[in-house]
Amino acid sequence: DAKTTQPPSMDCAEGRAANLPCNHSTISGNEYVYWYRQIHSQGPQYIIHGLKNNETNEMASLIITEDRKSSTLILPHATLRDTAVYYCIVQGAQKLVFGQGTRLTINP
Amino acid sequence: EAEVAQSPRYKITEKSQAVAFWCDPISGHATLYWYRQILGQGPELLVQFQDESVVDDSQLPKDRFSAERLKGVDSTLKIQPAELGDSAMYLCASSLIRSYNEQFFGPGTRLTVL
Repeated sequence: DAKTTQPPSMDCAEGRAANLPCNHSTISGNEYVYWYRQIHSQGPQYIIHGLKNNETNEMASLIITEDRKSSTLILPHATLRDTAVYYCIVQGAQKLVFGQGTRLTINP
Repeated sequence: EAEVAQSPRYKITEKSQAVAFWCDPISGHATLYWYRQILGQGPELLVQFQDESVVDDSQLPKDRFSAERLKGVDSTLKIQPAELGDSAMYLCASSLIRSYNEQFFGPGTRLTVL
């Protein structure tokens, strides 16, 4: 499975866009990029996934570079409830391998 | 909205005792996963079921851990005997199919071994 690199922590002001980067330079052609988040004391929650094209849903947008070696998760209008650990995962071998993620803190 | 159910939510036990965790996945989800999450780390897959069959248990410490999903619906994860290092959050997840599909996680069982 391809390895991902994320900053350990980030801060963002409430109401602003939160942009969370992820590097996955060894990603293979058939591997998807998944994002999950984990709010304190809860199980992880699926956010979004993509292969090549940019994706958007009601929670977030996912921007994948053309060479697929990195991606950015965008929360367009962050709220205090978005404070969580965000995991970027490259799914291979049909299972998710979680790293340590980025601890995102939304400040009022 | 359908959810993955887990019980108990919290469990305190002494080392060398046996413990068991239960998971009821979302109805119709064929794939079920058990993860262990040590404080400060991401979840680690312990075992994956496709219906009633184990498809991946490569990270399951088989000398003390066992998992079953007898009828392909709910599942039980057992530890016997528990050790101090087993203190962690045990998470269950399910997905509709095995590949490239979002996983839905339960609230987890927090185990403390004294």
